[in-house]
Amino acid sequence: KAGVTQTPRYLIKTRGQQVTLSCSPISGHRSVSWYQQTPGQGLQFLFEYFSETQRNKGNFPGRFSGRQFSNSRSEMNVSTLELGDSALYLCASSLDPRWIGPGANVLTFGAGSRLTVL
Amino acid sequence: TQLLEQSPQFLSIQEGENLTVYCNSSSVFSSLQWYRQEPGEGPVLLVTVVTGGEVKKLKRLTFQFGDARKDSSLHITAAQPGDTGLYLCAGLNYGGSQGNLIFGKGTKLSVKP
Repeated sequence: KAGVTQTPRYLIKTRGQQVTLSCSPISGHRSVSWYQQTPGQGLQFLFEYFSETQRNKGNFPGRFSGRQFSNSRSEMNVSTLELGDSALYLCASSLDPRWIGPGANVLTFGAGSRLTVL
Repeated sequence: TQLLEQSPQFLSIQEGENLTVYCNSSSVFSSLQWYRQEPGEGPVLLVTVVTGGEVKKLKRLTFQFGDARKDSSLHITAAQPGDTGLYLCAGLNYGGSQGNLIFGKGTKLSVKP
């Protein structure tokens, strides 16, 4: 089956602009999580969506937002970009987060969207 | 805030050598996962360990979960260039501002032929 697809793979923006990143999860996966990865901080949790509802949110400013559509596809948006927002943004999909059997809490990651803010 | 400390941060070795990567925390986790991330790709799950003291083997990789479920190790025997990548451990912690999985910062392994 197709993996997690993230678009675009690479993008360059300037300070003050906004950006929207897209994530298509594995078919059948209903939970989508977003992470920011930088060399200094590692993977930092942004938010998790399930059934079009945000279930959990990390410690990021309100400039970072997301949403999930009825087909489980998700988007995240960063407004008023800052230099420090330059990072690899990873999306991961998983089964129903309420599931506690085999495969529970296993994340399948996309290849990421590499954002550079100039 | 729960933390997972990974060591070493960087490791550069020759093909054929053995190595061990550590993942430590002061918190107890119900399970722990190991991922490997290659350049230009997202992390890929290698293994999940659930029971304290559990040992799992995946070919030349041996994973161990500490008895107290606060730490884990990954041992690679006879490393090969294909093992090069960023190794991440992640502890399961339901809910919270860090998400369900708490990730360490990773160990960047380079295996030279």
